[in-house]
Amino acid sequence: QVQLQESGPGLVKPSQTLSLTCTVSGGSISSGGYYWSWIRQHPGKGLEWIGYIYYSGTTYYNPSLKSRLTISVDTSKNQFSLNLNSVTAADTAVYYCARSLIVLGYCSSANCYVVFDTWGQGTMVTVSS
Amino acid sequence: DIQLTQSPSFLSASVGDRVTITCRASQGISSYLAWFQQQPGKAPKLLIFPASTLQGGVPSRFSGSGSGTEFTLTISSLQPEDFATYYCQQLNSYPGLTFGGGTKVEIK
Repeated sequence: QVQLQESGPGLVKPSQTLSLTCTVSGGSISSGGYYWSWIRQHPGKGLEWIGYIYYSGTTYYNPSLKSRLTISVDTSKNQFSLNLNSVTAADTAVYYCARSLIVLGYCSSANCYVVFDTWGQGTMVTVSS
Repeated sequence: DIQLTQSPSFLSASVGDRVTITCRASQGISSYLAWFQQQPGKAPKLLIFPASTLQGGVPSRFSGSGSGTEFTLTISSLQPEDFATYYCQQLNSYPGLTFGGGTKVEIK
């Protein structure tokens, strides 16, 4: 059974870069059929998808975060990572990584249906000086 | 983006009650919708995807229905472990994956 675990600093200063890593166990990140996503949840609020990556390195980002965001993958370590730069207090949230099933097994230029079927436990990141 | 509007945002119910949560999409999404349950302090758990298919291990008291722009999640007989927040999610990545605002189910 696949498990995901987030790791990284719990406190980041404003204007700096938030960096998190998700380690996948119980399965290979290179097995195909899945994107690997980051999702966040502001305190007491709903869920916001951040972006995802395929094992080949193909990425797709939330347009609202795209200018500050980089998601990368290290298949040798079975990990993928999030870097969000120029952070502010508005980036304070619980960050989750999630395995994302590609519903139809493929994505077209018009549609890419994805569902988050396995989640990490989440890690709280606070942006504060 | 495809906007998802959940209603109600909060409901108070008793053990044994039948509960229905609605999720409305700003445009048609066929059956490409999922439902999640989130317990306090925990990650969301996938309950139903696509719109009406229960995931493995999810109790049969949960059911989902709908297509197009209107969807419902029903709990036929609320159990103590069902008190949680429920989210819908539309599955199309383009231009962005989105969730509903959530429905918190609390004990009356």
